[in-house]
Parts: sequence; C-alpha cells; structure tokens
Amino acid sequence: AQTVTQSQPEMSVQEAETVTLSCTYDTSESDYYLFWYKQPPSRQMILVIRQEAYKQQNATENRFSVNFQKAAKSFSLKISDSQLGDAAMYFCAYRSLTSGTYKYIFGTGTRLKVLA
Amino acid sequence: EPEVTQTPSHQVTQMGQEVILRCVPISNHLYFYWYRQILGQKVEFLVSFYNNEISEKSEIFDDQFSVERPDGSNFTLKIRSTKLEDSAMYFCASSRRGPAGNTIYFGEGSWLTVV
Repeated sequence: AQTVTQSQPEMSVQEAETVTLSCTYDTSESDYYLFWYKQPPSRQMILVIRQEAYKQQNATENRFSVNFQKAAKSFSLKISDSQLGDAAMYFCAYRSLTSGTYKYIFGTGTRLKVLA
Repeated sequence: EPEVTQTPSHQVTQMGQEVILRCVPISNHLYFYWYRQILGQKVEFLVSFYNNEISEKSEIFDDQFSVERPDGSNFTLKIRSTKLEDSAMYFCASSRRGPAGNTIYFGEGSWLTVV
C-alpha cells in the first residue's frame, strides 16, 4: 500500500524569505500524481501544485515550485518570497494512475507559520 | 471560478441521529468524492461516485454511510446513526474525469460535531 510521510509537523518562515516543506512517499508503482494542497484557517483544501511522475521537469506555479526526486521518492515544496497569506496547513498527496483507484492518499500535514 | 459548495458549514447532532451533508459539485464534473478529516489528523478518503453508483469506498465507509445523487446537481452523504467518532470535517470533492489525468477540487467542508 502507498504511504505519504510529512516529517515536519510545523515550520516557520520570515515574510519574503524562502521555505521548503518535505514530503516522502512509498510506492511500487511507476505512474502516479503528486499534489500539494493548502488548507488555510477557513479549512478549504486548495490545490497548490501538481506533478506527474512521468515528467522529469519540476512543476512550478508562480512562487511555488517542487523538487521531485522520483528515485528517492521525495516531493518537496518550495515557497519563495513568502507572504502572510501563505500561512496554512500544507498537505502532500499521492494518487495512483495504475491501480484504477480514485482515492488520494494524504500525509499528516505541515503547519506553516509566516512571521512578519 | 466554479467551485464545490457544501452545506451546512457546521452541524451539531446528538449521538444516534441521522445526518445528511449536502454538496453541489462543479457543474460539468462527473466524478464525486467524500473525504473526512478528524481534528488534527490527516484527510482520509471515504468514497467515490460515478454514473450513479459507488466506484470505490474505503474501510471507513461502512453500512452507516450512504451516498446519493438525488437530482442533477446535489451529491449527499448520509450517516444513519451518528457516533461520537464521526465528529470530523467532511469534504466533498469533484473532478471532470476519473482516476487518470485529473485533479479533484474540494469544497470548504462541513464540520460535524456529534455530542
């Protein structure tokens, strides 16, 4: 069974600086998607970025980028120029593309605090 | 931007009572999901629904739970006899297509408190 691990329960970053959130996963599959979701205090789950496992190029979305290391099964999220609005819980998630499953498997989350 | 909407945002219910959580998925989406998040824990998959039937469910989704798409717009989660451990945030989600190649979009959640 696939698992997703986020080893940092909480991180802090100064406003305007860069922070990296870690995520590792375990799978025997070769085709899958990885996601980072943001959950602000409003508690809505908002997609931040998505990475297809078959793509070697790391996904980027404005200030958000990932470092996808398929062999190491690592998928970290880098937030550049951190803003106060980035403060939230961040969840890493995995979805298989080979087993026909519909479900996402989430990590336990990392709470990001942005300090003014 | 289209979004998934959920009602109620918060419901308090007595143990043993039935609860129905409602969701309006994004209009051109065909696949619907329920996830739950117990306070302080990870988000967990409950069930997926396509073409008016359950396509996948987790071990959490036992006989106390059911889902329905009663009309062309709503997607509901029913808990027949609530237990204290059902207290959680319940997220509805939808996607345009199925497992391959699609992102799911979550609603804002319905917070259920069972007392």
